[in-house]
Amino acid sequence: GAVVSQHPSRVICKSGTSVKIECRSLDFQATTMFWYRQFPKKSLMLMATSNEGSKATYEQGVEKDKFLINHASLTLSTLTVTSAHPEDSSFYICSADTSDPYEQYFGPGTRLTVT
Amino acid sequence: GQNIDQPTEMTATEGAIVQINCTYQTSGFNGLFWYQQHAGEAPTFLSYNVLDGLEEKGRFSSFLSRSKGYSYLLLKELQMKDSASYLCAVVDSNYQLIWGAGTKLIIKP
Repeated sequence: GAVVSQHPSRVICKSGTSVKIECRSLDFQATTMFWYRQFPKKSLMLMATSNEGSKATYEQGVEKDKFLINHASLTLSTLTVTSAHPEDSSFYICSADTSDPYEQYFGPGTRLTVT
Repeated sequence: GQNIDQPTEMTATEGAIVQINCTYQTSGFNGLFWYQQHAGEAPTFLSYNVLDGLEEKGRFSSFLSRSKGYSYLLLKELQMKDSASYLCAVVDSNYQLIWGAGTKLIIKP
């Protein structure tokens, strides 16, 4: 099946620094990519939806200036957590979909710890 | 390699019971999630199992056998709104999520 990768898988950073997380569709071109945040034992919270070459659409309550999303190509989207704070520590998951047929594939996630 | 297997598609009748199986081979195990996802929406958390046994939550129950690398999601008294994809995901030893491809459940009247 289709594969979505994320890099890094785990990152520890200091408060106030920025962290970039990459999401790649390895063997297919993704129509749309999604970024989620997961809190322990909770549903995935959709943060934003991005299409290649256009601005991301952020969900209500998600700060677009803090969580910068760049969808540079049909196989790569990046999420940059700017000026990270300990409360940003979480598990960030991306997914990518194809339009015909419609399928959605999830990445393995990136565990961010802000100290 | 790591692998999660679940059926691609299942069909059931409104009011009936359906069991969706998930088998896994992963490097380590730190829990298993079941999510429900309606088309075009974000997945919704259904259950998290880390110990063997059955956990019941209303019409939905989830079972885990770590020795067999096996879990199932049991849906009772099926309703039309239960038509969705059901995703099984295992947390491996590195706390990475290994996702199944999802089972599309079709409910017929």
